[in-house]
Amino acid sequence: GAVVSQHPSRVICKSGTSVKIECRSLDFQATTMFWYRQFPKKSLMLMATSNEGSKATYEQGVEKDKFLINHASLTLSTLTVTSAHPEDSSFYICSALLDRVFGYTFGSGTRLTVV
Amino acid sequence: KNEVEQSPQNLTAQEGEFITINCSYSVGISALHWLQQHPGGGIVSLFMLSSGKKKHGRLIATINIQEKHSSLHITASHPRDSAVYICAVINYGGSQGNLIFGKGTKLSVKP
Repeated sequence: GAVVSQHPSRVICKSGTSVKIECRSLDFQATTMFWYRQFPKKSLMLMATSNEGSKATYEQGVEKDKFLINHASLTLSTLTVTSAHPEDSSFYICSALLDRVFGYTFGSGTRLTVV
Repeated sequence: KNEVEQSPQNLTAQEGEFITINCSYSVGISALHWLQQHPGGGIVSLFMLSSGKKKHGRLIATINIQEKHSSLHITASHPRDSAVYICAVINYGGSQGNLIFGKGTKLSVKP
């Protein structure tokens, strides 16, 4: 079935460095990709919506310059955490709408730890 | 008050028990997802439904649009069912990525 492949699953990086997270739609074209962040024992929080070929839409309170989103093709969206800080340590997950019959599909998530 | 409320927050069951997780919502929706999240994080969609009832193996999901309520049932529960189950409502005409999530129900099934 149609899935979203997310990489890496886990990453540890040093403060000040940048980390790129990729989400690829397999077997379908994702014109829109949603990026979520999940804090421990909390529900998913929408960070931004990426649209192929145009600028991402960020939710209130999410820093555009810190969380760079690129959706250069119909099958690839990337989230880059720039100048990572320990406070950015979290679980990041992407999602795309398959269609209105099957609904949404989700990436496997990325556990980011900034040391 | 959250727009999507799940109950219970935590649930411990013995293997073989019948399990029910409830979801109530206060907004208009187009459809509703039941999601499963295992330790390690990945999320899998179990069901998407907009009316009635769906069944897949030992899992059954029901929704009552008029009462704004959905339930997820697990028959003959097994330790491998241990996970967090999340209810997410969909509004294709809304914002927030069209999905509003409940806080999840952590299920632990003991052998």
